[in-house]
Order: sequence, then structure tokens, then C-alpha cells
Amino acid sequence: AQSVAQPEDQVNVAEGNPLTVKCTYSVSGNPYLFWYVQYPNRGLQFLLKYITGDNLVKGSYGFEAEFNKSQTSFHLKKPSALVSDSALYFCAVREGHGSGNTGKLIFGQGTTLQVKP
Amino acid sequence: SAVISQKPSRDICQRGTSLTIQCQVDSQVTMMFWYRQQPGQSLTLIATANQGSEATYESGFVIDKFPISRPNLTFSTLTVSNMSPEDSSIYLCSVRALSTDTQYFGPGTRLTVL
Repeated sequence: AQSVAQPEDQVNVAEGNPLTVKCTYSVSGNPYLFWYVQYPNRGLQFLLKYITGDNLVKGSYGFEAEFNKSQTSFHLKKPSALVSDSALYFCAVREGHGSGNTGKLIFGQGTTLQVKP
Repeated sequence: SAVISQKPSRDICQRGTSLTIQCQVDSQVTMMFWYRQQPGQSLTLIATANQGSEATYESGFVIDKFPISRPNLTFSTLTVSNMSPEDSSIYLCSVRALSTDTQYFGPGTRLTVL
């Protein structure tokens, strides 16, 4: 069965410092991996995805994520954090295409990012 | 990306009543989903809304409690029936865009049951 783990409930960084939000996954086939951000009282916004190709994926708002197959990880990164990046971040996995695949996203428990000025 | 609207954005309801949430997307999509996000929790998939046929429910969710319709490729409704305070959650509509194979989310409906 698919699963996603975000080991940190909260990550605190100072503005201007690099940030990393961790995610590990477990799937039986090839993973499709996603990051979403949720600001207070809002829905989820798509940040980036990995389907295939380069292990380093670039997304919205200066975020990027590195796919590491051997470590089954897909950590979200940003070189220089902004206070406005403070939000709740979700990692999600979907099994790759195959017979019977419904495309369901399975979400991690979420990580609150707090960027302090 | 797909632009998704949900109505209502929030509601406060009495125990035992039902609420229907509407989801409209601005383009044709391959799949539509309904998620629940309980306070302080992650997202849980309720069901996949299938066009012109019964929805596919996840374990723990049943049609009698959460009837879903999808009459066409761009519209779906979720009804929360016979509500109890435990149903207080954010309900999110989600679609998988044909062009990008990416799942997008609506703004959510914040439901409070008294």
C-alpha cells in the first residue's frame, strides 16, 4: 500500500536561510510525487511534482524538490526563506500509471513551516 | 491549471440536517475527487466522483452518508447527510487536469455542525 511520511510536525527557519521540509514515501510501483501548500483558511495550492526525468524538480515561488529513489525521499527545499512562505506543506504520492490505477493521491500528515523575520 | 469553485465556502448547520456542496471546474477534467480535512489533520479521500455513475467510495465512507453526483465532466456535488458535530471539517473538491496530469484543489467548504 502507498504511504507518505513527513517526519516533522513543524520546521522553524529564519528569513533568508535555506529551508528543507522532509518527505519519504512507500509505493509498490513508480511514484508520482507532489508537494502542495495550504495557507490559513485556503485550499491546497500545487507547488511541484516529480513524474520522471531529472531528480531535481523546480516549482512555484522558488521551491524545488529532490527525488532520491534509493532513500525513497522527496524533500522540499528553498535556498532563501521568506516570511510569506509560512504555511502548512503537504507531500503526496500517487502510484504510476498501470492497470487498475485510479490516480488517488495519498497525503502525508503535513508540516507547518514557520519563517521568522 | 484548472480553476475550481466551491459553494458554499462555509456553513454552520444543525445536527441531523444535510448540506450539499457544489464543485465547478472551468475545464474538462479526467477525474474528480472529494476530500475531507478534519481540524488539524491531513486530507482523507472520501470518494472518486464518476461521471454518470455511482461514486467510488474509500474505506470508512458510505453512499448513504456522503451521496455524490457528477452529471457532467465539470460539475459535482457532495452531500453530507444527517450531520453530527463529528462531521465538522473542511471538504475539498479536487480535479485531475487532462492537460497536465496534475491534481488541483478547490478552496474548500468549511462546515461546522452544532
